[in-house]
Amino acid sequence: DAGVIQSPRHEVTEMGQEVTLRCKPISGHDYLFWYRQTMMRGLELLIYFNNNVPIDDSGMPEDRFSAKMPNASFSTLKIQPSEPRDSAVYFCASSPPRMGFSTDTQYFGPGTRLTVL
Amino acid sequence: AQSVTQLGSHVSVSEGALVLLRCNYSSSVPPYLFWYVQYPNQGLQLLLKYTTGATLVKGINGFEAEFKKSETSFHLTKPSAHMSDAAEYFCAVSEGGSYIPTFGRGTSLIVHP
Repeated sequence: DAGVIQSPRHEVTEMGQEVTLRCKPISGHDYLFWYRQTMMRGLELLIYFNNNVPIDDSGMPEDRFSAKMPNASFSTLKIQPSEPRDSAVYFCASSPPRMGFSTDTQYFGPGTRLTVL
Repeated sequence: AQSVTQLGSHVSVSEGALVLLRCNYSSSVPPYLFWYVQYPNQGLQLLLKYTTGATLVKGINGFEAEFKKSETSFHLTKPSAHMSDAAEYFCAVSEGGSYIPTFGRGTSLIVHP
Protein backbone atom coordinates (compact mmCIF):
# COMPACT_ATOMS: atom_id res chain seq x y z
CA ASP A 1 0.00 0.00 0.00
CA ALA A 2 1.30 3.47 -0.87
CA GLY A 3 0.16 5.00 2.40
CA VAL A 4 -1.57 8.34 2.72
CA ILE A 5 -0.67 10.58 -0.19
CA GLN A 6 -0.64 14.35 0.04
CA SER A 7 0.00 16.96 -2.60
CA PRO A 8 1.69 19.26 -3.04
CA ARG A 9 4.54 18.61 -0.60
CA HIS A 10 5.45 22.28 -0.60
CA GLU A 11 3.37 25.32 -1.46
CA VAL A 12 4.50 28.92 -1.48
CA THR A 13 1.87 31.52 -2.19
CA GLU A 14 1.13 35.16 -1.63
CA MET A 15 -1.33 36.56 0.84
CA GLY A 16 -4.82 36.65 -0.53
CA GLN A 17 -4.41 33.73 -2.88
CA GLU A 18 -6.48 30.55 -2.73
CA VAL A 19 -4.67 27.43 -1.60
CA THR A 20 -5.90 23.86 -2.10
CA LEU A 21 -4.28 20.94 -0.36
CA ARG A 22 -5.07 17.40 -1.44
CA CYS A 23 -5.15 14.05 0.28
CA LYS A 24 -5.67 10.46 -0.78
CA PRO A 25 -6.27 8.19 2.21
CA ILE A 26 -5.30 4.55 2.46
CA SER A 27 -7.74 2.36 0.56
CA GLY A 28 -10.38 0.89 2.84
CA HIS A 29 -9.96 3.48 5.58
CA ASP A 30 -13.18 5.27 6.42
CA TYR A 31 -11.89 8.00 8.74
CA LEU A 32 -9.94 10.97 7.42
CA PHE A 33 -8.38 13.72 9.50
CA TRP A 34 -6.80 17.07 8.67
CA TYR A 35 -4.23 18.48 11.09
CA ARG A 36 -2.14 21.63 11.22
CA GLN A 37 1.28 21.70 12.88
CA THR A 38 3.10 24.84 13.98
CA MET A 39 5.83 25.54 16.47
CA MET A 40 3.55 27.77 18.49
CA ARG A 41 0.46 25.59 18.70
CA GLY A 42 1.74 22.08 18.08
CA LEU A 43 -0.51 19.57 16.30
CA GLU A 44 -4.09 20.77 15.92
CA LEU A 45 -7.00 18.73 14.62
CA LEU A 46 -8.89 20.83 12.10
CA ILE A 47 -11.64 18.51 10.88
CA TYR A 48 -12.40 14.85 10.44
CA PHE A 49 -14.65 12.82 8.20
CA ASN A 50 -16.26 9.42 8.56
CA ASN A 51 -17.50 7.74 5.38
CA ASN A 52 -16.99 11.01 3.50
CA VAL A 53 -19.20 12.96 5.92
CA PRO A 54 -17.71 15.78 8.03
CA ILE A 55 -18.21 14.85 11.67
CA ASP A 56 -16.46 17.60 13.59
CA ASP A 57 -15.08 20.82 12.14
CA SER A 58 -14.76 22.66 15.41
CA GLY A 59 -11.01 22.91 14.92
CA MET A 60 -11.27 24.84 11.67
CA PRO A 61 -9.86 28.24 12.61
CA GLU A 62 -12.24 30.43 10.62
CA ASP A 63 -14.48 30.64 7.61
CA ARG A 64 -11.52 31.02 5.30
CA PHE A 65 -10.90 27.32 5.78
CA SER A 66 -13.07 24.66 4.16
CA ALA A 67 -12.71 20.93 3.61
CA LYS A 68 -14.47 18.46 1.39
CA MET A 69 -14.43 14.74 0.80
CA PRO A 70 -16.32 14.02 -2.41
CA ASN A 71 -15.48 10.33 -2.33
CA ALA A 72 -13.69 7.72 -0.26
CA SER A 73 -10.36 8.26 -1.99
CA PHE A 74 -10.00 12.03 -2.05
CA SER A 75 -10.21 15.03 0.22
CA THR A 76 -9.27 18.68 -0.08
CA LEU A 77 -8.52 21.44 2.38
CA LYS A 78 -8.97 24.91 0.95
CA ILE A 79 -7.88 28.25 2.33
CA GLN A 80 -9.36 31.33 0.71
CA PRO A 81 -8.00 33.92 1.07
CA SER A 82 -4.72 32.79 2.56
CA GLU A 83 -2.86 34.82 5.19
CA PRO A 84 0.75 34.66 6.46
CA ARG A 85 -0.46 33.21 9.79
CA ASP A 86 -1.72 30.17 7.88
CA SER A 87 1.88 29.14 7.23
CA ALA A 88 2.26 25.68 8.73
CA VAL A 89 2.61 22.02 7.87
CA TYR A 90 -0.76 20.44 7.11
CA PHE A 91 -1.14 16.72 7.62
CA CYS A 92 -3.78 14.35 6.44
CA ALA A 93 -4.29 11.08 8.29
CA SER A 94 -6.63 8.15 7.85
CA SER A 95 -7.86 5.31 10.06
CA PRO A 96 -9.39 1.94 9.28
CA PRO A 97 -12.99 1.05 10.08
CA ARG A 98 -13.82 0.39 13.69
CA MET A 99 -14.52 -3.25 14.32
CA GLY A 100 -14.11 -5.24 17.47
CA PHE A 101 -11.28 -3.81 19.49
CA SER A 102 -10.32 -1.13 17.04
CA THR A 103 -7.29 0.69 18.30
CA ASP A 104 -7.84 4.11 16.75
CA THR A 105 -4.43 4.11 15.08
CA GLN A 106 -3.92 6.94 12.64
CA TYR A 107 -1.78 6.74 9.51
CA PHE A 108 -0.28 10.07 8.55
CA GLY A 109 0.72 11.43 5.19
CA PRO A 110 4.06 13.24 4.70
CA GLY A 111 2.42 16.64 5.03
CA THR A 112 2.22 19.80 2.95
CA ARG A 113 4.46 22.66 4.03
CA LEU A 114 2.56 25.88 3.30
CA THR A 115 4.26 29.24 3.24
CA VAL A 116 2.13 32.33 2.75
CA LEU A 117 4.15 35.44 1.97
CA ALA B 1 -12.42 15.24 28.47
CA GLN B 2 -9.07 13.78 27.56
CA SER B 3 -5.73 15.53 27.67
CA VAL B 4 -2.04 14.76 27.46
CA THR B 5 0.96 16.42 29.07
CA GLN B 6 4.46 15.71 27.86
CA LEU B 7 7.07 16.88 30.32
CA GLY B 8 9.99 18.53 28.63
CA SER B 9 9.87 19.91 25.12
CA HIS B 10 13.47 18.77 24.59
CA VAL B 11 15.36 15.79 25.97
CA SER B 12 19.05 15.39 25.30
CA VAL B 13 20.92 12.10 25.79
CA SER B 14 24.23 10.61 24.78
CA GLU B 15 24.38 7.74 22.35
CA GLY B 16 24.05 4.50 24.33
CA ALA B 17 22.29 6.14 27.26
CA LEU B 18 18.81 5.43 28.53
CA VAL B 19 15.98 7.29 26.85
CA LEU B 20 13.03 8.35 29.01
CA LEU B 21 10.25 10.50 27.59
CA ARG B 22 7.44 11.35 29.99
CA CYS B 23 3.73 11.41 29.28
CA ASN B 24 0.84 11.92 31.66
CA TYR B 25 -2.76 11.74 30.56
CA SER B 26 -6.21 12.59 31.74
CA SER B 27 -9.21 10.55 30.71
CA SER B 28 -12.65 9.99 32.19
CA VAL B 29 -12.84 6.45 30.83
CA PRO B 30 -10.25 3.71 30.24
CA PRO B 31 -7.85 5.18 27.75
CA TYR B 32 -6.14 4.00 24.63
CA LEU B 33 -2.60 5.37 24.68
CA PHE B 34 -0.18 5.90 21.83
CA TRP B 35 3.32 7.05 21.10
CA TYR B 36 4.05 8.40 17.64
CA VAL B 37 7.42 9.40 16.20
CA GLN B 38 8.04 12.13 13.63
CA TYR B 39 11.32 12.23 11.75
CA PRO B 40 12.33 15.49 10.04
CA ASN B 41 10.12 16.41 7.11
CA GLN B 42 7.91 13.36 7.58
CA GLY B 43 4.49 12.59 8.98
CA LEU B 44 3.88 10.93 12.31
CA GLN B 45 4.15 7.16 12.50
CA LEU B 46 2.97 4.83 15.21
CA LEU B 47 5.67 3.64 17.60
CA LEU B 48 3.50 1.64 19.99
CA LYS B 49 0.06 1.58 21.55
CA TYR B 50 -1.78 0.36 24.63
CA THR B 51 -5.42 -0.61 24.52
CA THR B 52 -6.09 -3.37 27.04
CA GLY B 53 -4.22 -6.25 28.63
CA ALA B 54 -0.52 -6.22 29.40
CA THR B 55 0.56 -2.86 30.72
CA LEU B 56 4.10 -3.06 29.34
CA VAL B 57 3.94 -2.48 25.62
CA LYS B 58 6.78 -3.06 23.21
CA GLY B 59 7.06 -1.13 20.00
CA ILE B 60 9.34 -0.73 17.05
CA ASN B 61 13.03 0.19 17.21
CA GLY B 62 13.47 -1.14 20.74
CA PHE B 63 11.09 1.30 22.42
CA GLU B 64 8.64 0.31 25.11
CA ALA B 65 6.14 2.05 27.35
CA GLU B 66 4.34 1.11 30.53
CA PHE B 67 0.77 2.05 31.35
CA LYS B 68 0.48 2.99 35.01
CA LYS B 69 -3.11 3.70 35.88
CA SER B 70 -2.37 4.86 39.43
CA GLU B 71 0.05 7.46 38.10
CA THR B 72 -1.93 8.22 34.91
CA SER B 73 1.33 7.86 33.05
CA PHE B 74 2.58 6.23 29.87
CA HIS B 75 6.31 6.97 29.76
CA LEU B 76 8.38 5.90 26.78
CA THR B 77 11.76 4.25 27.31
CA LYS B 78 14.61 2.73 25.37
CA PRO B 79 17.64 1.17 27.09
CA SER B 80 20.25 2.48 24.67
CA ALA B 81 19.84 5.50 22.42
CA HIS B 82 21.01 5.49 18.82
CA MET B 83 21.74 8.51 16.70
CA SER B 84 18.87 7.46 14.45
CA ASP B 85 16.42 7.91 17.34
CA ALA B 86 16.72 11.68 17.08
CA ALA B 87 13.18 12.81 16.26
CA GLU B 88 10.04 14.36 17.68
CA TYR B 89 7.92 12.08 19.85
CA PHE B 90 4.23 12.56 20.49
CA CYS B 91 2.11 10.94 23.14
CA ALA B 92 -1.62 10.64 22.43
CA VAL B 93 -4.69 9.49 24.34
CA SER B 94 -8.01 8.31 23.02
CA GLU B 95 -10.93 7.61 25.28
CA GLY B 96 -12.23 4.20 24.35
CA GLY B 97 -15.13 4.91 22.06
CA SER B 98 -14.17 8.43 21.05
CA TYR B 99 -11.87 7.29 18.30
CA ILE B 100 -10.29 10.74 18.22
CA PRO B 101 -6.86 10.93 19.85
CA THR B 102 -5.63 14.02 21.60
CA PHE B 103 -1.94 14.65 21.00
CA GLY B 104 0.60 16.12 23.37
CA ARG B 105 2.85 19.01 22.34
CA GLY B 106 5.69 16.67 21.53
CA THR B 107 9.19 16.09 22.88
CA SER B 108 12.23 16.55 20.73
CA LEU B 109 14.83 13.86 21.41
CA ILE B 110 18.40 14.94 20.77
CA VAL B 111 21.10 12.26 20.71
CA HIS B 112 24.73 13.30 21.13
CA PRO B 113 27.60 11.16 19.85
